[in-house]
Amino acid sequence: EADIYQTPRYLVIGTGKKITLECSQTMGHDKMYWYQQDPGMELHLIHYSYGVNSTEKGDLSSESTVSRIRTEHFPLTLESARPSHTSQYLCASTGQGFTIYFGEGSWLTVV
Amino acid sequence: SQELEQSPQSLIVQEGKNLTINCTSSKTLYGLYWYKQKYGEGLIFLMMLQKGGEEKSHEKITAKLDEKKQQSSLHITASQPSHAGIYLCGARGSNYKLTFGKGTLLTVNP
Repeated sequence: EADIYQTPRYLVIGTGKKITLECSQTMGHDKMYWYQQDPGMELHLIHYSYGVNSTEKGDLSSESTVSRIRTEHFPLTLESARPSHTSQYLCASTGQGFTIYFGEGSWLTVV
Repeated sequence: SQELEQSPQSLIVQEGKNLTINCTSSKTLYGLYWYKQKYGEGLIFLMMLQKGGEEKSHEKITAKLDEKKQQSSLHITASQPSHAGIYLCGARGSNYKLTFGKGTLLTVNP
């Protein structure tokens, strides 16, 4: 069973607010990923990390930022949320075995 | 960047029929993943393929990675309504970047 957790699962916030979506894994995985997905739509890679202090932008341009200060933690931050940021955000991780583990997702609604 | 094309985009089959979903990559695949997703839910891991010619099966689902490692197929035998959902193929590039195809929506009619 995957030990990767995302919080919050559901969040409704007002425009202009700052939010942080948390992602933690207890498997010691060095590689972690953030994806954005609208319901029924494509999974877009927005950020990834090879390890501590390494972050890269994905294929989809995003106004969010990420940090990787600890191996187990890969938070995603939106400094000023807008309605266009409304979506599901999925976190994933992988290690030496290359199996990808996904969190259950965070549903963000910006009103 | 690596692009994955899935076909067909959607598929409707009668219960009991066999079906195949294809995934073609624009670059060499270092790892190919198949996931299933119900609308609005998380991803369920199905299989991972890494070696050219590799084939894996789980219950009635079989996935193959071709010798040249640029194409994979997912085959479902004797489909059931429980197989319905969105099937996603994902690719791991040489730089560990993970990208996904647009998905195939499968409907199985009883």
